[in-house]
Amino acid sequence: ETGVTQTPRHLVMGMTNKKSLKCEQHLGHNAMYWYKQSAKKPLELMFVYNFKEQTENNSVPSRFSPECPNSSHLFLHLHTLQPEDSALYLCASSQGAEQYFGPGTRLTVT
Amino acid sequence: GQQVMQIPQYQHVQEGEDFTTYCNSSTTLSNIQWYKQRPGGHPVFLIQLVKSGEVKKQKRLTFQFGEAKKNSSLHITATQTTDVGTYFCAGPVSYDKVIFGPGTSLSVIP
Repeated sequence: ETGVTQTPRHLVMGMTNKKSLKCEQHLGHNAMYWYKQSAKKPLELMFVYNFKEQTENNSVPSRFSPECPNSSHLFLHLHTLQPEDSALYLCASSQGAEQYFGPGTRLTVT
Repeated sequence: GQQVMQIPQYQHVQEGEDFTTYCNSSTTLSNIQWYKQRPGGHPVFLIQLVKSGEVKKQKRLTFQFGEAKKNSSLHITATQTTDVGTYFCAGPVSYDKVIFGPGTSLSVIP
């Protein structure tokens, strides 16, 4: 499946680093999402963008900063993260109903 | 706020046995979606149910939406090792946002 791509697939960063996650969707969808998936926890919705406008910020700490330059691209800028931020970060896109997920970025904060 | 619950959290079955996971919402849903996430993978959309009492089948998988549109179930007949993974239900909370249940993790013993 190549409808939604994410880079990098794996990332190890220190707590003082700044990094960015990238998501690209080739499905022509209007909505894009960032989710966090930690071990043994439900999928947590972080941000929603619809037609490039942010429609949801689910009480996410400011050390996570999203950017949506157009309907096909979504970024998640990371800075001064904590070890508890280690998780799988999933991007998804949607045109109404079902969500199409990317493969995720496995993030480890050391 | 709206909550979506699933039971059981984990299920271990012998290959060939049947499996059922149940999804319950605190509010009436306009539709219910089901996703499957293989170990090491990302959630993949399986199906959407819209009508009260609706039943849909995909080979050995049977999906049902409750009459009150607050609960749903997924039943797998004669499980196979390829069925291993976590099954999530999800319900809409707005036009561009869904809430996921915590998932049921299925293990199949050959």
